[in-house]
Amino acid sequence: NAGVTQTPKFRVLKTGQSMTLLCAQDMNHEYMYWYRQDPGMGLRLIHYSVGEGTTAKGEVPDGYNVSRLKKQNFLLGLESAAPSQTSVYFCASRRPDLRGETQYFGPGTRLLVL
Amino acid sequence: AQSVSQHNHHVILSEAASLELGCNYSYGGTVNLFWYVQYPGQHLQLLLKYFSGDPLVKGIKGFEAEFIKSKFSFNLRKPSVQWSDTAEYFCAVNAPYGNNRLAFGKGNQVVVIP
Repeated sequence: NAGVTQTPKFRVLKTGQSMTLLCAQDMNHEYMYWYRQDPGMGLRLIHYSVGEGTTAKGEVPDGYNVSRLKKQNFLLGLESAAPSQTSVYFCASRRPDLRGETQYFGPGTRLLVL
Repeated sequence: AQSVSQHNHHVILSEAASLELGCNYSYGGTVNLFWYVQYPGQHLQLLLKYFSGDPLVKGIKGFEAEFIKSKFSFNLRKPSVQWSDTAEYFCAVNAPYGNNRLAFGKGNQVVVIP
């Protein structure tokens, strides 16, 4: 049981390049989330999904797209990377909305956009 | 939408000192409350959570938190810190039964000096 995994762990992009971050979970969780973490800003929600084939915008969705084609995977895409997207990206998942459900986080992807 | 405030972003203290981190949230209804910890270079891990029952919650590694509904607070405490408690601590809140998202505070960077 690997929990939540993310690939890649680290990536350097040039401005304007595109890439996809992959999140996978083996806990059969319905809900999945993408956050970015920046110093002094905490975690900010980019996009999330409440089930296969569904996605929704979070606090800071601009410049990102997501897809949830399979229940266990949640992809985060950057079509044209910008330096402002330099950040650490965390994926999380959890079971549906019962009292006290915990979000489980992946190890993170560190992205540097030059 | 709910929001979370954490004060004193940087905290430096010596081993054996007591730690208290404040967390206030803005939401008038029923809430789930969480404290997550992020050790250097690692992903977020659940420290403790409150969703019902005894407002004094005990978590891992000797941490505890008290939910005070009238003050909209969920402060984290540890009576005697160790060097290994050096980490960033995040308070988070969500409203159950229909709200799928966690709102995070900006975090407290805690450094424990041996």
